[in-house]
Amino acid sequence: DVKVTQSSRYLVKRTGEKVFLECVQDMDHENMFWYRQDPGLGLRLIYFSYDVKMKEKGDIPEGYSVSREKKERFSLILESASTNQTSMYLCASSSSSGTQYFGPGTRLTVL
Amino acid sequence: QKEVEQNSGPLSVPEGAIASLNCTYSDRVSQSFFWYRQYSGKSPELIMSIYSNGDKEDGRFTAQLNKASQYVSLLIRDSQPSDSATYLCAVTRGSTLGRLYFGRGTQLTVWP
Repeated sequence: DVKVTQSSRYLVKRTGEKVFLECVQDMDHENMFWYRQDPGLGLRLIYFSYDVKMKEKGDIPEGYSVSREKKERFSLILESASTNQTSMYLCASSSSSGTQYFGPGTRLTVL
Repeated sequence: QKEVEQNSGPLSVPEGAIASLNCTYSDRVSQSFFWYRQYSGKSPELIMSIYSNGDKEDGRFTAQLNKASQYVSLLIRDSQPSDSATYLCAVTRGSTLGRLYFGRGTQLTVWP
């Protein structure tokens, strides 16, 4: 079974803090993705990576950065957290077949 | 025009009925199509993928693809209360490095 894990299920941070969300997959997938999901807005792609050290902006990259130093690990960084970044963050990975497998999600609250 | 559009829902059906979920997409070169199920508070999980025109069946689920009409649907036969969830349609677009384009989802409620 494909397994995608995320570092935290719930996270509470304060405005202005630097926040790291980590994602690890164990299937040697080339592609990894970070989404946020908000009620009524669906899944929105923040960033994705198709190889180590490679990244592409998604639809809403502002306020975020990413890092992929190893194939199995993809990190999302909020440089200075703001209240409008309170959301559910979902990581996914995929192989060349295109099927994406999601992690359990991190519910981030920024106070 | 949105890349992927789904019935806005919510959709409510009685137990044992057929639930029909629909999805249209804008890019004619889309080649791969996926249906995900998402329970409240959980992450999406893959139900089915379909790549060729026609029907694909897996248990109580049938995916139907019509590329000429740019339409993909999911039928759930003998619906159960445990099928109550949000269903997400996702498609690829040409050469997009594995990216999927998701619809906003249709919320399905199956009442006993």
